[in-house]
Amino acid sequence: GAVVSQHPSWVICKSGTSVKIECRSLDFQATTMFWYRQFPKQSLMLMATSNEGSKATYEQGVEKDKFLINHASLTLSTLTVTSAHPEDSSFYICSAPQTGPETQYFGPGTRLLVL
Amino acid sequence: QQQVKQSPQSLIVQKGGISIINCAYENTAFDYFPWYQQFPGKGPALLIAIRPDVSEKKEGRFTISFNKSAKQFSLHIMDSQPGDSATYFCAASNTGKLIFGQGTTLQVKP
Repeated sequence: GAVVSQHPSWVICKSGTSVKIECRSLDFQATTMFWYRQFPKQSLMLMATSNEGSKATYEQGVEKDKFLINHASLTLSTLTVTSAHPEDSSFYICSAPQTGPETQYFGPGTRLLVL
Repeated sequence: QQQVKQSPQSLIVQKGGISIINCAYENTAFDYFPWYQQFPGKGPALLIAIRPDVSEKKEGRFTISFNKSAKQFSLHIMDSQPGDSATYFCAASNTGKLIFGQGTTLQVKP
C-alpha cells in the first residue's frame, strides 16, 4: 500500500516554543493532505485540510494562527504548532489520499509532549 | 448531522469467535464508509471500505454489512485472533474528509 511518513515520531518541547511536524507521501503525489489530532483513548479529530499551492482550510474551532500548515510540494505538508502549551500535547496524524479522495493512507503519527 | 456513532466502546471476544462493531450515521450525503484498525502508538490502517450501493463486502476475515435505509453499517471479524486486538474506527465521508466514530477497543483472548 501507499506509504506516508511523519517526522519526528515524537517530540518534547517547552511551553511557549514552536514545533514543526512533517508529513510526506513517499511513493505518490498528494495535492491534498489532512491533519488530525488524537487525544489518549479518543477518536481522530480532523484539524485541517492541507492544499498544495494554496491556503489550508481549517475545521471549526481550530485556530489557524496557532496551527500553521504549509503544503510546499506535492509530497510534503508541514504542521507547525506555535507557542505550544501543555494542552496541545497530543498525537498528531496526517493522511494523504492516493487513488481517490477517500482512499486515505495515514502516517505513523507524531506524539507531542509540551512541558 | 456530521456525527458517526460507534458501539460498543470496548469488546472482549474469545479466540475463534466473531467480533461485531456497529456504526450509525445521520448525514445521507455520506457515500464512503471505511473501517480503520489502529494499534497503540501507530497511525490508523485502512481495513476495508464500502459504498452505499452495496449491502455487503467481504475481504478475508473482515466483512462490512451496510443498511442504507437504517443508516447503519457494521464490521464483522470472523475467527477473531489475538493479533486482531486493537482499536477499530468506523468513518464516513462524502467530500474526502473523514468523520470518525468514537472507536472500539477489541481484545481477543487466547
